[in-house]
Amino acid sequence: KAGVTQTPRYLIKTRGQQVTLSCSPISGHRSVSWYQQTPGQGLQFLFEYFSETQRNKGNFPGRFSGRQFSNSRSEMNVSTLELGDSALYLCASEGGGPTDTQYFGPGTRLTVL
Amino acid sequence: QKEVEQNSGPLSVPEGAIASLNCTYSDRGSQSFFWYRQYSGKSPELIMFIYSNGDKEDGRFTAQLNKASQYVSLLIRDSQPSDSATYLCAVNKDSGGGADGLTFGKGTHLIIQP
Repeated sequence: KAGVTQTPRYLIKTRGQQVTLSCSPISGHRSVSWYQQTPGQGLQFLFEYFSETQRNKGNFPGRFSGRQFSNSRSEMNVSTLELGDSALYLCASEGGGPTDTQYFGPGTRLTVL
Repeated sequence: QKEVEQNSGPLSVPEGAIASLNCTYSDRGSQSFFWYRQYSGKSPELIMFIYSNGDKEDGRFTAQLNKASQYVSLLIRDSQPSDSATYLCAVNKDSGGGADGLTFGKGTHLIIQP
């Protein structure tokens, strides 16, 4: 099976702009979670989508949003970018069952100037 | 408030020795526990998961869980230079890895000295 894919891999934006990141889960996986990783805060949970519905959300401002499509692909959007949004954004997929585990994609490295 | 704590290291271990990585968590409702390995510049890779008290072995890796002490550890036997990485401990309230999202520790940087 192909792994989790994320596009783009690298992105440079300026403050105030918005950005959309994409994630394609492992075939058959219906759950997609998004995480932000920074040197200071480590890996932090953003939100999780299952069957096109947001099941849970972490403690991030409303500028961070996401959605999931019927084919389980997911997008994450960050509006009004701030310098502190510079991070590695990771997507993880899992089957969605009670004993499933999460598998991470390669990440999107976002730099905000 | 879920919180996962790990010693940031670096933890330096001679090649061939046993590396012991530790993690404590604050939420007694946590049900599932994961160890991920992350090489510099790469994404986390799942090493082990454990749900029940006791030990779980997979090759050179052993995960240990003590829910009463809110403690989970990872032992790496016969450590190899390729094991040098940051090891992330993650916990979740659900029995699986989704729904509430994983809460990660900040990781322990492990260095295996040849």
